[in-house]
Amino acid sequence: NAGVMQNPRHLVRRRGQEARLRCSPMKGHSHVYWYRQLPEEGLKFMVYLQKENIIDESGMPKERFSAEFPKEGPSILRIQQVVRGDSAAYFCASSPPARLSGNTIYFGEGSWLTVV
Amino acid sequence: DQQVKQNSPSLSVQEGRISILNCDYTNSMFDYFLWYKKYPAEGPTFLISISSIKDKNEDGRFTVFLNKSAKHLSLHIVPSQPGDSAVYFCAASPGGGADGLTFGKGTHLIIQP
Repeated sequence: NAGVMQNPRHLVRRRGQEARLRCSPMKGHSHVYWYRQLPEEGLKFMVYLQKENIIDESGMPKERFSAEFPKEGPSILRIQQVVRGDSAAYFCASSPPARLSGNTIYFGEGSWLTVV
Repeated sequence: DQQVKQNSPSLSVQEGRISILNCDYTNSMFDYFLWYKKYPAEGPTFLISISSIKDKNEDGRFTVFLNKSAKHLSLHIVPSQPGDSAVYFCAASPGGGADGLTFGKGTHLIIQP
């Protein structure tokens, strides 16, 4: 399966713990995007990364959330000291290197975070 | 401020008939538009897209129409099939392509037998 791979698919965390969500882009894709879908809401852009570089993090909450896409390995979305309001589906997407207008982004299956 | 709006949270259509899903946008910088389909507990799947230089793009049963002056696009599915029951998201991106997509809240399409 050469699609966008996310893990874990489901994650349960207690309030105050840390959550780490991983995303491996499609083969040949060097751009990664993270989106969040809260219950009854649409998809909200969080962050756009290239290898070792954050391009746009305008959708990231100012505190507790961080993202990285290292030279080697998957992209990681990290949520520290989780609260109940962080419970959501987190989707990763990727696109080819030349992200010109007209390129599509492809989504993974999502990671469902539940904070208890 | 919602830049991409899907004003119908749900739509019910009889099998075999045409489904029309609508989407409005406010940002004049958007020049590329996409539709994604999403089943419960799965990631969104790319369906069809259109560039602002066109006003129509067709792919099998799916056609997307773009009216730039009205800042409106629509997705037509004909004939509608039971497997089309899903949530459909409209998305848009500005020129330059370096940014993430802005999504609408989605329309839940229900195809009735």
